[in-house]
Amino acid sequence: DQQVKQNSPSLSVQEGRISILNCDYTNSMFDYFLWYKKYPAEGPTFLISISSIKDKNEDGRFTVFLNKSAKHLSLHIVPSQPGDSAVYFCAASGRHGSSNTGKLIFGQGTTLQVKP
Amino acid sequence: NAGVTQTPKFQVLKTGQSMTLQCAQDMNHEYMSWYRQDPGMGLRLIHYSVGAGITDQGEVPNGYNVSRSTTEDFPLRLLSAAPSQTSVYFCASRGGTSGHNEQFFGPGTRLTVL
Repeated sequence: DQQVKQNSPSLSVQEGRISILNCDYTNSMFDYFLWYKKYPAEGPTFLISISSIKDKNEDGRFTVFLNKSAKHLSLHIVPSQPGDSAVYFCAASGRHGSSNTGKLIFGQGTTLQVKP
Repeated sequence: NAGVTQTPKFQVLKTGQSMTLQCAQDMNHEYMSWYRQDPGMGLRLIHYSVGAGITDQGEVPNGYNVSRSTTEDFPLRLLSAAPSQTSVYFCASRGGTSGHNEQFFGPGTRLTVL
């Protein structure tokens, strides 16, 4: 049973345009949602996160939106740059004391290609 | 700070062989974990530790052992390698001040079991 799902394996956008990566989850007890970026032959690096009490968090070109009623989050990258080409993983984590305390539950990943 | 380091970077084993994947961090993080990444599966938690002397199982623990004798080190042992354990393995750590449970990942070990 996949608790966190990224249903789009890949996404291709033109440089300068917006990239929107989507993620769905099933467990309403998750408290934190995170996005990681991964280049080939490297480990994932933390990008941005959001608490379940928020619906938006912005950091430069990256914005994460959370829709709790739909159990859906998305990562917006504006404007997209060729260096953004990577695999993006969304992840969810639970509050202290929950069964998912401290653990990260990952989606399958979406490969983003930004064309010059 | 070297962050999270993993050795080796690459390893080829024959079925039935044993080996230990090394992981170390120099950030004094209490929480450490091991994940495996397989195509189309994302990253799946194998084992984790909330501090020296304390370990617990994750989502896919079968075939793997861990121990945590120091804060810095968290080795992952494969007792009898199987082709199903061919994967990329990532070690990660998290400090007590991380707000949203974000973890720092090592560069990974690519393991092939023949």
